[in-house]
Amino acid sequence: EAGVAQSPRYKIIEKRQSVAFWCNPISGHATLYWYQQILGQGPKLLIQFQNNGVVDDSQLPKDRFSAERLKGVDSTLKIQPAKLEDSAVYLCASSLVGRVGLAGGNEQFFGPGTRLTVL
Amino acid sequence: DAKTTQPTSMDCAEGRAANLPCNHSTISGNEYVYWYRQIHSQGPQYIIHGLKNNETNEMASLIITEDRKSSTLILPHATLRDTAVYYCIVRSRGGADGLTFGKGTHLIIQP
Repeated sequence: EAGVAQSPRYKIIEKRQSVAFWCNPISGHATLYWYQQILGQGPKLLIQFQNNGVVDDSQLPKDRFSAERLKGVDSTLKIQPAKLEDSAVYLCASSLVGRVGLAGGNEQFFGPGTRLTVL
Repeated sequence: DAKTTQPTSMDCAEGRAANLPCNHSTISGNEYVYWYRQIHSQGPQYIIHGLKNNETNEMASLIITEDRKSSTLILPHATLRDTAVYYCIVRSRGGADGLTFGKGTHLIIQP
């Protein structure tokens, strides 16, 4: 089974430039997540999609970050304009459903991430 | 979701059992304990989860104390490839699905 795919793997931009990341989840997974991981910290959830609708974007800096999941499959995360503090690894994950079930479960599968450096 | 506390780092000799503790003293009755790990330059990987009974799978065992205020992840025969950051996460049953990661425990397996 193919895993979560992300591209590009690395990106270097200057501050105030724009950047976009792409994610292709595991086939059949209804839920897609974007996380931001700053060096030395655990990942932080930015946004969660259920099919093509947003479930949770409470931690997404909406003045500069945007995300979409057209047709409920692939997703793109955009930063415009980038700041120095946006330097991080951006992780995409997917799962079958969007809630912890009665028996727990609902494992999230993560992609390799995109490492963004803002100069 | 309840807060978790883990040691910053731990060492373990290759071939020995690695025991990673996690404190979650404010856990409530409908909250599960999950463990994920993140090998360097990779995304996190699910290991195991449990509610109140001990659990075992092909990767690890999870021991949850009777009062559920703490748990231990056990890697029975650690290998060099088990060197990673291990995250203990508490999640509510039926609750929002996004994972809340702390800083985790950096486990280093020594040859």
